Amino acid sequence: ILNVEQSPQSLHVQEGDSTNFTCSFPSSNFYALHWYRWETAKSPEALFVMTLNGDEKKKGRISATLNTKEGYSYLYIKGSQPEDSATYLCALMDSSYKLIFGSGTRLLVRP
Amino acid sequence: NAGVMQNPRHLVRRRGQEARLRCSPMKGHSHVYWYRQLPEEGLKFMVYLQKENIIDESGMPKERFSAEFPKEGPSILRIQQVVRGDSAAYFCASSPTSGDTQYFGPGTRLTVL
Repeated sequence: ILNVEQSPQSLHVQEGDSTNFTCSFPSSNFYALHWYRWETAKSPEALFVMTLNGDEKKKGRISATLNTKEGYSYLYIKGSQPEDSATYLCALMDSSYKLIFGSGTRLLVRP
Repeated sequence: NAGVMQNPRHLVRRRGQEARLRCSPMKGHSHVYWYRQLPEEGLKFMVYLQKENIIDESGMPKERFSAEFPKEGPSILRIQQVVRGDSAAYFCASSPTSGDTQYFGPGTRLTVL
């Protein structure tokens, strides 16, 4: 059974702080690593799809890195804003194309 | 381009009734995935379908649950003789090809009384 772990479980930061979360996953059967942003009562929103070891992706103030050899990915948010408050999910896509989700990191940014 | 549509958004059923959840993928997407979020748990894969075919149903409970994605019309997740443990949020996602980004709908929240 493939297990995707995310830490921390929740995080409270002040507006303007930079922050990062970790996603760890088994390296075997790896196809891709997906990051989603999920606000309450909305659909999970796709942020990044990462496939290659050493990949770095960036979207505005949010960026992510991938290490497939050691089985981890980091998500960074620079200068957090209250509108960044959400649950950030990572999901391993295996060779059968299904997503195996972690339990998420719940971020709250205080104004 | 409208996103993934799911209906109904909320569904209440009594034990023993049937629940039908619908998912219309994004235009041009022929791959559909269903995920379930039980209370206090994360999203768990249920089934992956491509037009008229079930590709992977390894996450589906063995009994009472079925899914289809006909040539015309939405994908349907059907739960027969619902029990309280079926109460959950059911999410559908679609992608243009296998292995591509999966775009999620807003989910259907099923409550079984």
